[in-house]
Amino acid sequence: GENVEQHPSTLSVQEGDSAVIKCTYSDSASNYFPWYKQELGKGPQLIIDIRSNVGEKKDQRIAVTLNKTAKHFSLHITETQPEDSAVYFCAPPDPSSKIIFGSGTRLSIRP
Amino acid sequence: DGGITQSPKYLFRKEGQNVTLSCEQNLNHDAMYWYRQDPGQGLRLIYYSQIVNDFQKGDIAEGYSVSREKKESFPLTVTSAQKNPTAFYLCASTPGTGVSEQYFGPGTRLTVT
Repeated sequence: GENVEQHPSTLSVQEGDSAVIKCTYSDSASNYFPWYKQELGKGPQLIIDIRSNVGEKKDQRIAVTLNKTAKHFSLHITETQPEDSAVYFCAPPDPSSKIIFGSGTRLSIRP
Repeated sequence: DGGITQSPKYLFRKEGQNVTLSCEQNLNHDAMYWYRQDPGQGLRLIYYSQIVNDFQKGDIAEGYSVSREKKESFPLTVTSAQKNPTAFYLCASTPGTGVSEQYFGPGTRLTVT
């Protein structure tokens, strides 16, 4: 099955600076790489995803980059704002379609 | 509005009682999932179902049971055999059995004393 590691576990950045979170996976057959954002007391929501046929995808201040050779993908948030404070999860599925969540990164934006 | 509903949002039970958490979706999704989340932790898969009348154990199925009699419903029963049932429970669904975005419900916070 898939083995997922996410780093860092906590991240604090100054408002306006950038944040980067990395996810490492083990299954070379993985072809879908999503990032979820979870606000306090709520369910996670997809914020961006990428498929294995592209190396990067951007949506305004959020981007995801994929390195299939090294088996990792990263979430990049630029010009961070207070509303970006949340817990972020990567969740690459394994071949049986089970979705394995990383341990999460708690992002705090300092004013 | 399409989505996933979980009820109730907060649930309190005495130790030794079974309790059933509701999950309903009107997205016409085939696959449904149950996760458990402990404070400051990630999501751990309890059970999932890719089709009606079929389901598979996740990583922490002991002490839990599920049913999938209808496509739109996937209730989770927390039995008295579950040693530490107090947690935040999340239900999710995906359109098919292939890899795609998971849609989550708002969660049920279960407290057992």
